[in-house]
Amino acid sequence: DVKVTQSSRYLVKRTGEKVFLECVQDMDHENMFWYRQDPGLGLRLIYFSYDVKMKEKGDIPEGYSVSREKKERFSLILESASTNQTSMYLCASRRGEKLFFGSGTQLSVL
Amino acid sequence: GIQVEQSPPDLILQEGANSTLRCNFSDSVNNLQWFHQNPWGQLINLFYIPSGTKQNGRLSATTVATERYSLLYISSSQTTDSGVYFCAAITGGFKTIFGAGTRLFVKA
Repeated sequence: DVKVTQSSRYLVKRTGEKVFLECVQDMDHENMFWYRQDPGLGLRLIYFSYDVKMKEKGDIPEGYSVSREKKERFSLILESASTNQTSMYLCASRRGEKLFFGSGTQLSVL
Repeated sequence: GIQVEQSPPDLILQEGANSTLRCNFSDSVNNLQWFHQNPWGQLINLFYIPSGTKQNGRLSATTVATERYSLLYISSSQTTDSGVYFCAAITGGFKTIFGAGTRLFVKA
């Protein structure tokens, strides 16, 4: 089975802090994604990467950046966390057209 | 862009009851996937179903691509079926568009 691992299950940060969310997949997938999930809004795509060092903006990239230095690892960076970035963050990797998700990181920005 | 709408938004069932969840999409899609998000937040693949019908135990799904909808059937519901059910439409390229989900609660 595909395994997508997110480094933290819960995270509490202060406004203005720089935040790193890490995601690792073990199946050599080229495509990786970061989503955020908010009640009533479903999942919204923040950024995705289709290869090492390659990235594309999704639907809501403002306030975020990403890094993909190795194929298995895709990091989401909040340069200066704000309270409106409190959310559940979900990482996914893709094989063909099938998405596989990590267990999520619930981030609270105080 | 493509819109994905799910209904109902919320559903409460008595254990043992059956239910049907619906997913409508506004344009042609390459494929469609159903997920279950458990109460701990983990999204689990249920079905990958571009067309036709698939069954897995008490769950089955049907996609009618020409009419732009998909249905997820849950039979003899159990409390462990509680959570949020998402459908996701895969368009060309890298985009996967999610519906807002159906929140299901199954009472014992």
